[in-house]
Amino acid sequence: AIQLTQSPSSVSASVGDRVTITCRASQGFGRSLAWYQQKPGKSPKLLIYDASTLESGVPSRFSGSGSGTDFTLTISSLQPEDFATYYCQQFNDFFFSFGPGTKVDIK
Amino acid sequence: QVQLVESGGGLVQPGRSLKLSCAASGFTFDTHAMHWVRQAPGKGLEWVAVISFDGSDQYYSDSVKGRFTISRDNSKNTLYLQMTSLSGDDMAVYYCASISPRHMSGYDKWGQGTRVTVSS
Repeated sequence: AIQLTQSPSSVSASVGDRVTITCRASQGFGRSLAWYQQKPGKSPKLLIYDASTLESGVPSRFSGSGSGTDFTLTISSLQPEDFATYYCQQFNDFFFSFGPGTKVDIK
Repeated sequence: QVQLVESGGGLVQPGRSLKLSCAASGFTFDTHAMHWVRQAPGKGLEWVAVISFDGSDQYYSDSVKGRFTISRDNSKNTLYLQMTSLSGDDMAVYYCASISPRHMSGYDKWGQGTRVTVSS
C-alpha cells in the first residue's frame, strides 16, 4: 500500500504569506492525487484533484503540482479563511490513503 | 442539490455491532463508486472502504477487513456500512464520500458525518 507523508506537519503563517505543503508517496504513481481543506467540526472540502486541477469554486490562490512521488499544494497569498488543516490523498491503489495532515495556523 | 446524509451513529458497547447509512440525492447514485472515510477524535482522515457503482466489488482497509461490510441499494440511493466487533479504535466520525466520474481522484461529495462512540 502506498503511504503518504506531509511536510511540514504544522506551519504558522501570516495573512498574505505564501505557504507550500509537500506530500511525498512511498512509491511513485501518476497524478491521481487530491488535496483537501478541513476546518474544525466540518467535512473536508476538495481543493485540487488529479494533482493540479482546481476544483470548481476554489479560489485561484490555491494550486497543486507534482507527479510520481512528490506533490505540492501552494497557497499564494494566505487569507484569514485559509487557516485550517490540509490533507493529501492518493487514488492509485485500493487503499486510498491520506497523508497525516498539515495544520496552518496564525502566526 | 447534491446531498449525502449519514445516519445511524451513536453510542455502542465494545464488541457490539452498528449499521450506518448514507442517503444520496441530487446526482446519479448508481453511476458512482462510494466510499466511507472516518476520523477519530483529534486525528487525521482514514479511508475505510469502497464499493463499486453496481455493488459488485468492495475493498477495505486492513484495520476493518473482516469486521466491516460495505453495501448499497441503488433502488433506494443508499449506501451502508455494517460494523461488527467494534472497539475503541473504531470510535470516529464516519463520512460517506464519492468521486466525480470525470476525475481520477478527489471526493467532490461529502456527507456531514455521523459520530460513532464505543464505550461500555
